[in-house]
Amino acid sequence: SQTIHQWPATLVQPVGSPLSLECTVEGTSNPNLYWYRQAAGRGLQLLFYSVGIGQISSEVPQNLSASRPQDRQFILSSKKLLLSDSGFYLCAWSRRQGGWVFFGSGTQLSVL
Amino acid sequence: RKEVEQDPGPFNVPEGATVAFNCTYSNSASQSFFWYRQDCRKEPKLLMSVYSSGNEDGRFTAQLNRASQYISLLIRDSKLSDSATYLCVVNSGYALNFGKGTSLLVTP
Repeated sequence: SQTIHQWPATLVQPVGSPLSLECTVEGTSNPNLYWYRQAAGRGLQLLFYSVGIGQISSEVPQNLSASRPQDRQFILSSKKLLLSDSGFYLCAWSRRQGGWVFFGSGTQLSVL
Repeated sequence: RKEVEQDPGPFNVPEGATVAFNCTYSNSASQSFFWYRQDCRKEPKLLMSVYSSGNEDGRFTAQLNRASQYISLLIRDSKLSDSATYLCVVNSGYALNFGKGTSLLVTP
């Protein structure tokens, strides 16, 4: 069966510090991968999606970036965090574009 | 106009009640529709897909009206464990667009 791992579960970082969140998927190959963010009281916002190694599409301009160095690995990064980057970050995968997605357990990021 | 709109609630209902959630979407080309459930501080989980013919899964019934671009979720015989936020989800070709969710609280 397929599983998705995301870590860490919680993270407190000072403004201006770097960020690296990692996500890995097991039990499937060539998944579509996604990073979503859910800010307090707001809906899920798609940040990045990837259909293959090295292929990243960005949905919104921001100071975040994503990379997919391996087929089942997706990384979300920032060189300098802003207060507005606080939120619940969710990695997800799907078998096909537009199909239902399965989420990782999420990372609650607080930027202080 | 937001792509997926839902009444945020909260809906407070007693155990055993029937409750209905509605959702509208703006992209008439959307082909896939889902309801997800999200518990507090947890990841969303797929509840059910939504088909044009309507579909049922136990106490849950989902309906899609493509002409009106409208999706619904009906929960019968509500349980305390149904308390959660229900997210209406519509595909945009390459990814899913999520509504902000409708909060449900089932009380004893």
